[in-house]
Amino acid sequence: NAGVTQTPKFRVLKTGQSMTLLCAQDMNHEYMYWYRQDPGMGLRLIHYSVGEGTTAKGEVPDGYNVSRLKKQNFLLGLESAAPSQTSVYFCASRQNTEAFFGQGTRLTVV
Amino acid sequence: LAKTTQPISMDSYEGQEVNITCSHNNIATNDYITWYQQFPSQGPRFIIQGYKTKVTNEVASLFIPADRKSSTLSLPRVSLSDTAVYYCLVGETYNFNKFYFGSGTKLNVKP
Repeated sequence: NAGVTQTPKFRVLKTGQSMTLLCAQDMNHEYMYWYRQDPGMGLRLIHYSVGEGTTAKGEVPDGYNVSRLKKQNFLLGLESAAPSQTSVYFCASRQNTEAFFGQGTRLTVV
Repeated sequence: LAKTTQPISMDSYEGQEVNITCSHNNIATNDYITWYQQFPSQGPRFIIQGYKTKVTNEVASLFIPADRKSSTLSLPRVSLSDTAVYYCLVGETYNFNKFYFGSGTKLNVKP
């Protein structure tokens, strides 16, 4: 049972490039989330989804877009990457009390 | 959404009991208190959840006073491997939209 898998684990982008981060969960969870974590800081919620076909903004949504076309997948897109988006990105899914997190994607924008 | 306040960091020694307190003065009637643990370079992991009084599992205990305006996570006999960041979250158990993390408490366990 893989749980929550994030792809890729590392990525370096040039300013202005675009990319998509993939989060896949095999637990049939309805709720999925994308967070960013800057060095020495807590997690900040970017976007979340309460089910297939739905998405909503979190605390820091600017510069990001998301899609949930399939229940098991939650995609995070950066349309035009900026150095301020250098961070570690975590995905999570949950159905009730306990949330499960992926191992993170370390993104550097130069 | 109840705001939480935790100490930024704490130091302890191996074998000691560690208590991390979280303040949540405006907690609502339907809110539960949940704690997560995050090791370096990993995603957070669920530790424990409670509503009132005391909850204990194989990892930790959670103490919640009658007024529920604070809670204390207790880690018995910590080891070096308990060095991590601990997050206190307050939110409705069945409203999963409100899933926000604060800054957490960085616990440093020394030999």
